[in-house]
Amino acid sequence: DTGVSQDPRHKITKRGQNVTFRCDPISEHNRLYWYRQTLGQGPEFLTYFQNEAQLEKSRLLSDRFSAERPKGSFSTLEIQRTEQGDSAMYLCASSLYGTAGPDTQYFGPGTRLTVL
Amino acid sequence: GQQLNQSPQSMFIQEGEDVSMNCTSSSIFNTWLWYKQDPGEGPVLLIALYKAGELTSNGRLTAQFGITRKDSFLNISASIPSDVGIYFCAGPRGGTYKYIFGTGTRLKVLA
Repeated sequence: DTGVSQDPRHKITKRGQNVTFRCDPISEHNRLYWYRQTLGQGPEFLTYFQNEAQLEKSRLLSDRFSAERPKGSFSTLEIQRTEQGDSAMYLCASSLYGTAGPDTQYFGPGTRLTVL
Repeated sequence: GQQLNQSPQSMFIQEGEDVSMNCTSSSIFNTWLWYKQDPGEGPVLLIALYKAGELTSNGRLTAQFGITRKDSFLNISASIPSDVGIYFCAGPRGGTYKYIFGTGTRLKVLA
């Protein structure tokens, strides 16, 4: 399977703990995006990278959230001191920017976070 | 800010029926995308539209980019049980690559 992959698929944690999620994009894609989706809603943009550079962050991304893409390939999203309101599906997407074609985002299966 | 409203919010249909849903925006979009999401999974791209008036098909699915650039439509012909899921429209916000997603249309197909 050469699509976007995310790990873990599910994470249950206690309030106050730190969690880290990983995303592996489609191999030739240079852009990587993180979204958050709560129950009954569409995904909401959090941040994105072009290669290893983090180019934009949403105001939804509080100081407890940090994302990295150190080598321009996989990315990690860390949430420190988790709160119950952080419970959501965290989605990763990737795209190929800069070619003649459109910059279309393809999503991974998501990581479902439950904070107790 | 930009919002995408989808209609209907949910629908129950009989297997074999055709389905229509739409997505409207308060502002112009240059790209419209339609995704399907199954429970516990990420959205899967169905159709992407890049020009006003464009009509694109993918199997039993057909989508159109409205000529006003403020709406898009998705039709599913001869629905089958595996069409069950949530259908989202999406588009890039204000010329950026931050996708805005619609409110979703929940489709249930009765065999």
